[in-house]
Amino acid sequence: DTAVSQTPKYLVTQMGNDKSIKCEQNLGHDTMYWYKQDSKKFLKIMFSYNNKELIINETVPNRFSPKSPDKAHLNLHINSLELGDSAVYFCASGSRGHNEQFFGPGTRLTVL
Amino acid sequence: GQSLEQPSEVTAVEGAIVQINCTYQTSGFYGLSWYQQHDGGAPTFLSYNALDGLEETGRFSSFLSRSDSYGYLLLQELQMKDSASYFCAAERRDDKIIFGKGTRLHILP
Repeated sequence: DTAVSQTPKYLVTQMGNDKSIKCEQNLGHDTMYWYKQDSKKFLKIMFSYNNKELIINETVPNRFSPKSPDKAHLNLHINSLELGDSAVYFCASGSRGHNEQFFGPGTRLTVL
Repeated sequence: GQSLEQPSEVTAVEGAIVQINCTYQTSGFYGLSWYQQHDGGAPTFLSYNALDGLEETGRFSSFLSRSDSYGYLLLQELQMKDSASYFCAAERRDDKIIFGKGTRLHILP
């Protein structure tokens, strides 16, 4: 069974569209994260949720809105997509007080 | 500011030992993690240091010196499958995590 799963794996869309990426973890972790990895492989944290509560919100345009319906899910909705949003988005999960994070397989977003 | 510095690329020979250094400038520093990422794959956790000293996990070891704001990842008995990018990541007391820009490790036969 996949520990951290994301859908879709690939997403190609036009500028200005709205899209969502879903993430689910079955590890029983209380904390979930969204990361963005750009073309230069720079990995940057975007959001972190602990028990459905937002605890980290980095400097990210407010076009990005995370939603956590329950501890096992953290979805990312992006409004009015821009060319610069093209990247690989990784979801991850972990337990507070434990340093290891488990990453999902990533969603490659391409904005045309 | 908050930053981690690591070499962009390192080349080593199969069977050899390689060390990837990481220096950090992070307020509220709590610990240093290392992740491996193969092309097209997701980062996978390798090791973590919260205290000074060496942590060993099989062929991989990680070291931390808090007084020097410095750590390294040591890979021994290099195998071709170790060709990947390696990221150091600083964990802060407020739970924020900052990743370095990654070191691309090339292994020659």
